[in-house]
Amino acid sequence: NAGVTQTPKFQVLKTGQSMTLQCAQDMNHEYMSWYRQDPGMGLRLIHYSVGAGITDQGEVPNGYNVSRSTTEDFPLRLLSAAPSQTSVYFCASSLGQGFREKLFFGSGTQLSVL
Amino acid sequence: EDKVVQSPLSLVVHEGDTVTLNCSYEVTNFRSLLWYKQEKKAPTFLFMLTSSGIEKKSGRLSSILDKKELFSILNITATQTGDSAVYLCAVGSNAGGTSYGKLTFGQGTILTVHP
Repeated sequence: NAGVTQTPKFQVLKTGQSMTLQCAQDMNHEYMSWYRQDPGMGLRLIHYSVGAGITDQGEVPNGYNVSRSTTEDFPLRLLSAAPSQTSVYFCASSLGQGFREKLFFGSGTQLSVL
Repeated sequence: EDKVVQSPLSLVVHEGDTVTLNCSYEVTNFRSLLWYKQEKKAPTFLFMLTSSGIEKKSGRLSSILDKKELFSILNITATQTGDSAVYLCAVGSNAGGTSYGKLTFGQGTILTVHP
């Protein structure tokens, strides 16, 4: 039972490069989301999706794009990496209404932007 | 602005001790309060509380919510080294006018349990 799978686990980028963080879940969850975790700041929501074809911005969306073409996949794209995007990124999924806060997290991606 | 504050930020205890972690919040349109445990990487769900005064229990862990005073506590009795982790408090609200609502996380409490 895989749950939420994130790749890669580690990534180093140079300023200006672009990349995609992959996220897939096999629990048929309706909601998926991306968070970043920075020291002393807690987890902050970047983007979320309430179903295939539906996405919206969270608290810190600038510099990131998402799409959701299937229920299972929710990739996060960094358009032009900046040192301020150095962080640990978590993908999460949850059931729909009534259970959206009960998140199942992936194992995270540690991203460094030089 | 929604705010979730956890205390203490870090705590060091010995096996067998009982610990109490605190979470206070200020959010608009409160819906729920959740506790997560983060060991090494991915946070894992512990409890979700929506009603005041009702204790949730799971083994040696328990949690209670006070919606009047806007706080929650997480108790761990007879601590073990395996309880060492970061404990995250999060508050869900209906703010933002979206179907997803909003989940605001605290900074976390780092618990270290020595043998």
